[in-house]
Amino acid sequence: QSVLTQPPSVSAAPGQKVTISCSGSSSNIGNNYVSWYQQLPGTAPKLLIYDNNKRPSGIPDRFSGSKSGTSATLGITGLQTGDEADYYCGTWDSSLSASYVFGTGTKVTVL
Amino acid sequence: QVQLQESGPGLVKPSQTLSLTCTVSGGSISSGDYFWSWIRQPPGKGLEWIGYIYYSGSTYYNPSLKSRVTISVDTSKNQFSLKLSSVTAADTAVYYCVAIDSYIDPWGQGTLVTVSS
Repeated sequence: QSVLTQPPSVSAAPGQKVTISCSGSSSNIGNNYVSWYQQLPGTAPKLLIYDNNKRPSGIPDRFSGSKSGTSATLGITGLQTGDEADYYCGTWDSSLSASYVFGTGTKVTVL
Repeated sequence: QVQLQESGPGLVKPSQTLSLTCTVSGGSISSGDYFWSWIRQPPGKGLEWIGYIYYSGSTYYNPSLKSRVTISVDTSKNQFSLKLSSVTAADTAVYYCVAIDSYIDPWGQGTLVTVSS
C-alpha cells in the first residue's frame, strides 16, 4: 500500500542518464524532506540521497536529487553496470499520523 | 558510527507471535538522535514501515499493523524489539531494524522470517 508513486522500471545504456520520479502529496513530499535508497540484489537498502538533494559521504556525484512541490526526482548520470538495483524514495507523512512512507520502487536496468 | 543487527527465529508458525531484537552498537540508544524503527520487505516486493520507538518509550505504529504490533526498548542492553502477533503467511518477509531521523540510516542487514507450519 505504497503512498508514493514511482515508475516500475527505467533503463539506459552504460554512460547514459536516467531519472526516476516520485510522486506524492502535500501531506508527505510537499511538507517533508525526501530521501532515496538503493537496494542492490540480495542486500539491505542503502541511503543514497537525504534531505532532498544531499549525498552521504562516499556517494558519488553521479547521483543527484531534487524536489518540486509534491514530487521528487532522482538522477543518475554516467550509468554503470553496478548501478543496476531497485531504488526507493521515502519521507514522513503527516496525514498518517507521523508514518514513514516509501515509494513503489523502480528497477534500473543497464542495457 | 552506529550499527544495527537483527536477531530472532527465522521460522514462525501461523497464529503465533513473531519476535525480533535489534542490537545497537557504536552509539547509545538513549542519545535521542533517532527514532528506532522496524521495516519489512516481503519476497520480491517493496518496503513497508512497521513502526518506531523513541528512547523515552513513546511509540508509533503503521495503522495497518497497529492492532498486532508492539515495539519496546531496553536501554540497559542498547536494544529494541519487535513483536508481531497472530502472524500469517502474508507476514513472511525480510525484517530490517533501522534508525530514522529525516532519513533512514543506518539499516541492519535484515533477517528473513518465514511463517509456515
